[in-house]
Amino acid sequence: SYELTQPPSVSVSPGQTARITCSGDALPKQYAYWYQQKPGQAPVLVIYKDSERPSGIPERFSGSSSGTTVTLTISGVQAEDEADYYCQSADSSGTYPYVVFGGGTKLTVL
Amino acid sequence: QVQLQESGPGLVKPSETLSLTCAVSGYSISSGYYWGWIRQPPGKGLEWIGSIYHSGSTYYNPSLKSRVTISVDTSKNQFSLKLSSVTAADTAVYYCARGAMVRGAPGWFDPWGQGTLVTVSS
Repeated sequence: SYELTQPPSVSVSPGQTARITCSGDALPKQYAYWYQQKPGQAPVLVIYKDSERPSGIPERFSGSSSGTTVTLTISGVQAEDEADYYCQSADSSGTYPYVVFGGGTKLTVL
Repeated sequence: QVQLQESGPGLVKPSETLSLTCAVSGYSISSGYYWGWIRQPPGKGLEWIGSIYHSGSTYYNPSLKSRVTISVDTSKNQFSLKLSSVTAADTAVYYCARGAMVRGAPGWFDPWGQGTLVTVSS
């Protein structure tokens, strides 16, 4: 089955730049999406179609793609950005398309 | 704005069927998009369960396909999840969400419901 691989954890100091990667063989052919999830809350979409930012999401959140890896970048990290981040994509190589989530990355703001 | 709200029993016995409903407000299900269920076991990551198109076409996670049924009731503007033969491994927070299709493949989920915890225990 298709998998998306994320690092379990990333730590940065306030004001620094955090980069969270997500790797998967189908990423060159399928878009990636990123969600932020804070404790006890539902996930919130922060990036769609690799690099688009929904309205209401701060400009410090950005996304990029290169080959089989997509990256969520948070510039000028703030304490409120501490959360779990999940990438998501799709596998359409089989009989019908299905959704895949990465294992999640815990961002710690030191 | 679009809002989704899950409802259903918080406790289900092993081997029985888990049933949840997602009520949608602020948008008509029959107007488009697809509608999905995602779950999250305590302390673990997100797992897609399945999705249903407004037309009724369904797509399920291959690992759960034999036990999952998702249906839509456009008259009530809601969609439902049934998961049969549950075990303790099915204990999780269950979320419903609206999904976009992009180039014929599942796209992003937004917005999400607040989630509901379902515990499988006797």
